[in-house]
Amino acid sequence: GNSVTQMEGPVTLSEEAFLTINCTYTATGYPSLFWYVQYPGEGLQLLLKATKADDKGSNKGFEATYRKETTSFHLEKGSVQVSDSAVYFCALSIQGAQKLVFGQGTRLTINP
Amino acid sequence: DAGITQSPRHKVTETGTPVTLRCHQTENHRYMYWYRQDPGHGLRLIHYSYGVKDTDKGEVSDGYSVSRSKTEDFLLTLESATSSQTSVYFCAISGEVTKNIQYFGAGTRLSVL
Repeated sequence: GNSVTQMEGPVTLSEEAFLTINCTYTATGYPSLFWYVQYPGEGLQLLLKATKADDKGSNKGFEATYRKETTSFHLEKGSVQVSDSAVYFCALSIQGAQKLVFGQGTRLTINP
Repeated sequence: DAGITQSPRHKVTETGTPVTLRCHQTENHRYMYWYRQDPGHGLRLIHYSYGVKDTDKGEVSDGYSVSRSKTEDFLLTLESATSSQTSVYFCAISGEVTKNIQYFGAGTRLSVL
């Protein structure tokens, strides 16, 4: 089956620290991969995506590279800000399918 | 929230009562989804719709039903609410071309006492 596993949270960092949130997946086909972010009291919003192996998605200083050989899509940011505090979800969809499969989410807190 | 309105935003109800949550979109998107969000589980798909009167079950559909009589509205009904259905419910939509990019509403927090 299709599944997504994220690193356990919560994660607490100081401002300007380097961030990595690990995400690995299992898929029966060739998935597209996504990171969604949920700010407090809001719904999820798409942060970045990658549709094929070796693609790099990027947005707002965040990056993630689709690694087929390690079935991973780790989220990174070089210097986090307090405003990055949120819950981050890794997700996949199989090509041609409209359903998303989400990881369990990782809560990130950035302290000033 | 990409033209998606969920109502109500908060609801407290008693075990055994029926509850209907509404999702309304102004984007004319074909696909609509209902998820529930619980700690440690991420988001789990309850039901989804791929057009008017066309719906299908997700991974946690037991105890829930849906209806879509118009493109813009997707209703989620708990026929007889149970405490295990206490959760935050999110509606999402996606379009025909980029169907795997979903846009989410702000959520409905439901407490079943």
